[in-house]
Amino acid sequence: QVKLVESGGRVVQPGRSLRLSCAASGFTFMNYGMHWVRQAPGKGLEWVAFISYTGNTRHYADSVKGRFTISRDDSRNTLFLQMSSLRGEDTAVYYCSRDNDIPEDRDAFDFWGQGTLVTVSS
Amino acid sequence: DIQMSQSPSSLSASVGDRVTITCRASQGIRNDLGWYQQKPGKAPKRLIYTASSLQSGVPSRFSGSGSGTEFTLTISSLQPEDFATYYCLQHNTYPFTFGQGTKLEIK
Repeated sequence: QVKLVESGGRVVQPGRSLRLSCAASGFTFMNYGMHWVRQAPGKGLEWVAFISYTGNTRHYADSVKGRFTISRDDSRNTLFLQMSSLRGEDTAVYYCSRDNDIPEDRDAFDFWGQGTLVTVSS
Repeated sequence: DIQMSQSPSSLSASVGDRVTITCRASQGIRNDLGWYQQKPGKAPKRLIYTASSLQSGVPSRFSGSGSGTEFTLTISSLQPEDFATYYCLQHNTYPFTFGQGTKLEIK
């Protein structure tokens, strides 16, 4: 069965960096685009970033552009989110989710991981 | 950016009630919209995709409709396990955007 497991969340000081991981199993990871979505405590959902199945196309929310980098390692079936210059407003649970990345027949966000909590605080 | 206006933001209803939640897009998004249910401390769960297709395993009391700029999620007869927060998400144009959420509470 499809499984997505996020890790790497922890308490980090403002201005520092952190890398999140999302381990995928139960499907052919290299055939899927992937997203990161976050949720600040008590708030709604916010889309963060996307990487295509080839890795050649990436999109970011304006709130993280220039600070966050999405990447993937298909040999390890793993998605990453490198976060730098972290701010208090980046405090959130971060989820990964998959996307079949077929523009004419898109099927996105069908499976989600359980999330990993990032807390940015001094 | 495409704005998704979701209403109402909260809703009190009773078991057995029919409820409708609406999302309006600031520009046309064809049928590139999904509906998600989220319970406290849990990941979102997809209920509806491409505006009106029922996710496998989701009860048939959930239905979606709409295209272009106006979309609805309807629960035909509320069950106790349906009390949760619901979100719409447009995946037509980057940046993808969620509605603000609708918290469905027991009356």
